[in-house]
Amino acid sequence: DQQVKQNSPSLSVQEGRISILNCDYTNSMFDYFLWYKKYPAEGPTFLISISSIKDKNEDGRFTVFLNKSAKHLSLHIVPSQPGDSAVYFCAASVDAGTYKYIFGTGTRLKVLA
Amino acid sequence: NAGVTQTPKFQVLKTGQSMTLQCAQDMNHNSMYWYRQDPGMGLRLIYYSASEGTTDKGEVPNGYNVSRLNKREFSLRLESAAPSQTSVYFCASSEGEQYFGPGTRLTVT
Repeated sequence: DQQVKQNSPSLSVQEGRISILNCDYTNSMFDYFLWYKKYPAEGPTFLISISSIKDKNEDGRFTVFLNKSAKHLSLHIVPSQPGDSAVYFCAASVDAGTYKYIFGTGTRLKVLA
Repeated sequence: NAGVTQTPKFQVLKTGQSMTLQCAQDMNHNSMYWYRQDPGMGLRLIYYSASEGTTDKGEVPNGYNVSRLNKREFSLRLESAAPSQTSVYFCASSEGEQYFGPGTRLTVT
């Protein structure tokens, strides 16, 4: 049973446009969410996080939105750059203090120059 | 500051062979993790260690054992490798968001 789902395996976006990556979850007890970026042959790197007490968190070109009633979060990248081409994983935790996360299956983003 | 290091980077095993994947972190983190990544499956937690001296099973622990040797090191052992264990293995450490190593690509034939 996949508790964290990324239903789009891949996404292509033109450079300069907005990239929107989506993530759905089933466990209403999740209270902390993260996005990771992964380049080929490297480990994932932390991108941005959001606590369930917020509905938006912004860091430069990256914004994460959380809709708790819909159990949905999204990552917006504006403007998209070719260097953003990577696989993006969302992850969720029932307790930020345990640091134990459940990861989605990933979305491969390709930003076209 | 190397972060999280993993050895080896690549390994090919025959069915039934054993091996240990090594992981070390220099960030003084208490928590460490082992994941495997398979196509279409994302990252699945094998074992984790919330602190030195403790280990707990994750989502897919069967066929694996771990040792938290000290605060820095967390090793993953395959006692009798099977083709189903062909995967990319990532170690991570955390005091909040997780920091990942570069991975070990393991093939079991």
